[in-house]
Amino acid sequence: DLQMTQSPSSLSASVGDRVTITCRASQSIRTYLNWYQQKPGKAPRLLIFASSSLQSGVPSRFSGSGSGTDFTLTISGLQPEDFAAYYCLQTYNIPWTFGQGTRVEIK
Amino acid sequence: QVQLQESGPGLVKPSETLSLTCTVSGASVSSRNLYWSWIRQPPGKGLEWIGNIFYSGTTSYNPSLKSRVTMSIETSKNGFSLKLNSVTAADTAVYYCARVPVVAVVYGSFFDYWGQGSLVTVSS
Repeated sequence: DLQMTQSPSSLSASVGDRVTITCRASQSIRTYLNWYQQKPGKAPRLLIFASSSLQSGVPSRFSGSGSGTDFTLTISGLQPEDFAAYYCLQTYNIPWTFGQGTRVEIK
Repeated sequence: QVQLQESGPGLVKPSETLSLTCTVSGASVSSRNLYWSWIRQPPGKGLEWIGNIFYSGTTSYNPSLKSRVTMSIETSKNGFSLKLNSVTAADTAVYYCARVPVVAVVYGSFFDYWGQGSLVTVSS
């Protein structure tokens, strides 16, 4: 299976900070990479698809970049409602595989 | 608006079959522009893709579960179902159903709408 490695597994940040989460694929997945946000007890929410396309209704402080094996999710100006877990997902190969997640906590 | 709702038993005995249904509103499971998926999340852990189904009944399953999984479209209920047989405690998880729109190839695939999730516990 294609492995997705996210880093860091957790981070502490303050409101207003710029936060970067990375996802590395074990082989090239072109730009078939999505990012999801999950709050406790809730279903994941799509933030970014195709590496850099912002899903409708998602604030513009979220952005994604990358292609091939290395991808980045950036939150520019962390807001209180952004404290959550974030997951990447590759849909280049079956089985589709998620990263292990990054928990963004309040400093 | 699009809504998905999982339903089914919350407790299943080991070696038995887990059965869940996802009822869809605001979209048709018969649409040629949509796939339908199941994803699960063990308590406190990450997400695992289980499989997809198309309106025609065409399926793609995670090889790690393929021998135990069956997904079906239930057109009359505007829903789709998941059956996972021979369950063990390792199958205890929140099970989510989700929608995958068929978009231009360059955009790949993604889950744009999710159900709220259904916790299934495997225990005697």
